[in-house]
Amino acid sequence: DTAVSQTPKYLVTQMGNDKSIKCEQNLGHDTMYWYKQDSKKFLKIMFSYNNKELIINETVPNRFSPKSPDKAHLNLHINSLELGDSAVYFCASSQRESGGELFFGEGSRLTVL
Amino acid sequence: DAKTTQPPSMDCAEGRAANLPCNHSTISGNEYVYWYRQIHSQGPQYIIHGLKNNETNEMASLIITEDRKSSTLILPHATLRDTAVYYCIVRAYGGATNKLIFGTGTLLAVQP
Repeated sequence: DTAVSQTPKYLVTQMGNDKSIKCEQNLGHDTMYWYKQDSKKFLKIMFSYNNKELIINETVPNRFSPKSPDKAHLNLHINSLELGDSAVYFCASSQRESGGELFFGEGSRLTVL
Repeated sequence: DAKTTQPPSMDCAEGRAANLPCNHSTISGNEYVYWYRQIHSQGPQYIIHGLKNNETNEMASLIITEDRKSSTLILPHATLRDTAVYYCIVRAYGGATNKLIFGTGTLLAVQP
């Protein structure tokens, strides 16, 4: 079983559309994250949730709205997609909020045309 | 902002040890050194971390200098599958947030 799984793996869409990426972890971890890797390969944290509560929000446009229905799931919804949103989005989880290693998913490659 | 400096790329012959350096001259007393790697088209993978003592696990060894201003990740017998970008990250343990701040890393190319 995949520890951190994301769907879809690839997503191609038009500017202005709304799309979602889903993430699930089966590790029993309390904390989940979304990272964005742009075309220059820089990995930057976007959000972090601990037990369904938002704890990190890194000045991400409010078109991005994370939702955590339970501590095993963290979804990312993006409204009014722009060309600059094209990137690979990685979900990750860790056992707790502070310390410990992060386990990453395989990434979701979003292409906005 | 990343607080580490790594060479942008390195080569290593298959079967030889790969030694990846990292400078973290502004590291604080409560900050650990973490290493992750990212194989092409995959998510980052945790390798090892340490505070001040040398550490070893099934993947690698981590050597931290006595003044903690630099460290070296050692892959004892590099294989082609170790070709990846290796990230050295300093991070406080037990802080209120758990931000991993990635720099540009070192692209290790293992040559046959």
